[in-house]
Order: sequence, then C-alpha cells, then structure tokens
Amino acid sequence: NAGVTQTPKFQVLKTGQSMTLQCAQDMNHNSMYWYRQDPGMGLRLIYYSASEGTTDKGEVPNGYNVSRLNKREFSLRLESAAPSQTSVYFCASWTSNTEAFFGQGTRLTVV
Amino acid sequence: GESVGLHLPTLSVQEGDNSIINCAYSNSASDYFIWYKQESGKGPQFIIDIRSNMDKRQGQRVTVLLNKTVKHLSLQIAATQPGDSAVYFCAENWDTGRRALTFGSGTRLQVQP
Repeated sequence: NAGVTQTPKFQVLKTGQSMTLQCAQDMNHNSMYWYRQDPGMGLRLIYYSASEGTTDKGEVPNGYNVSRLNKREFSLRLESAAPSQTSVYFCASWTSNTEAFFGQGTRLTVV
Repeated sequence: GESVGLHLPTLSVQEGDNSIINCAYSNSASDYFIWYKQESGKGPQFIIDIRSNMDKRQGQRVTVLLNKTVKHLSLQIAATQPGDSAVYFCAENWDTGRRALTFGSGTRLQVQP
C-alpha cells in the first residue's frame, strides 16, 4: 500500500528549463492536489483536480500547468523554470470526509 | 484574503509535559479543520480532524478543541515525547465543494529531554 507516490524526490534545474513532477495514488481517491512549501512556510495550493478530467487553479498557479492523466495520476509541469519556483512540492489526495494523504515531496532547486 | 494563522512559531516543552499549540482562523465559513504533523524531510501526516459541528475531539494522546465564537483551534498533546518534535500545521477547508485545505505557517514543537 504505497499511498501517494511522487517522483522525482530531488531535482535541480537551470532557469528556463522545463520539467514534469509526477504523482500517483493507489487509494482510489477522486481529488488530487499540488502544493508548494517554501522554507518556514505552510503549504500553498497550486492546482487541484476534484475528479478525473477536471482541474482548477489554487492560490499560486502562475508558472505551472497540470494534467489529470487518469484517476490515479496528477502531474505538475513547469514550462520555464524560474528561481522563484525553488521549493518543496507536495502532492496530496483525498476523498470526501477523510483526511488528505500527502506524498513525501519533491525538492526542486532552480539555479 | 482570509487565512489561517498560528500564534506561536516555536514551542519548547519538557518531556512528559502537556503541549498546547494554537491556531486562529478568520473564515467563518470553514467547516472542517485538520492538524498535521511534519517531520523534517517528510510530507505532512494527519493527526486529527474536527468538523464545525463539534467543539472537541479526542484521539490517542491528542485533543483538538474548536471555539467557533473566537475562531480558534488548538491541539493538545498529552505527555509529550521526543518523537513529538516536529512542525505542526493547522489547516481549514473553506470551500466545501472542492475540499481544498488552506494551511497556516506552522509551529515548531521542541521537546526537551
């Protein structure tokens, strides 16, 4: 029972490069979310997907795109990475009236 | 915008003492609250949740209190142990339809042996 799995765990990008963060959950949850966490801060919502086939912006969507590939997978893409996107990224999933389950995070550094 | 905040950025307690971590929320429409624990290098882990129709909920060594009158949430940890050292976040759901949690900035709990 893996829960929420994120890949990669670490990544260093140069400014302007692109990359996709992968997330998969095996709990059959409808909703999936991407958060970023900056040092000493709480988690801020980037994008979410309430169900397969739908996506919506969160608090800080600029510079990101997402794809809900299927019920299990929700990817986050940085088209042109910027130093301001250096952060730890967390994927989460949950369904109604339950706790949210988080992945272990992807630590991204943009130089 | 409305947000969730915490009163104390760092809390230091002695092992065996009780800990109380506080959280203020500003959105009166929030109907669901969760406390998470985050250890260094790990993702947030669920501790306990409470719905707005409740004032108190107890788990194993933890109790969450909700005071809707003053929009205050607290997490009480009984007999604090070294393994409790972590950053604790409260989160609220203010959009029932999408169930997206808004997090506070966190309180670091340090347990002294």
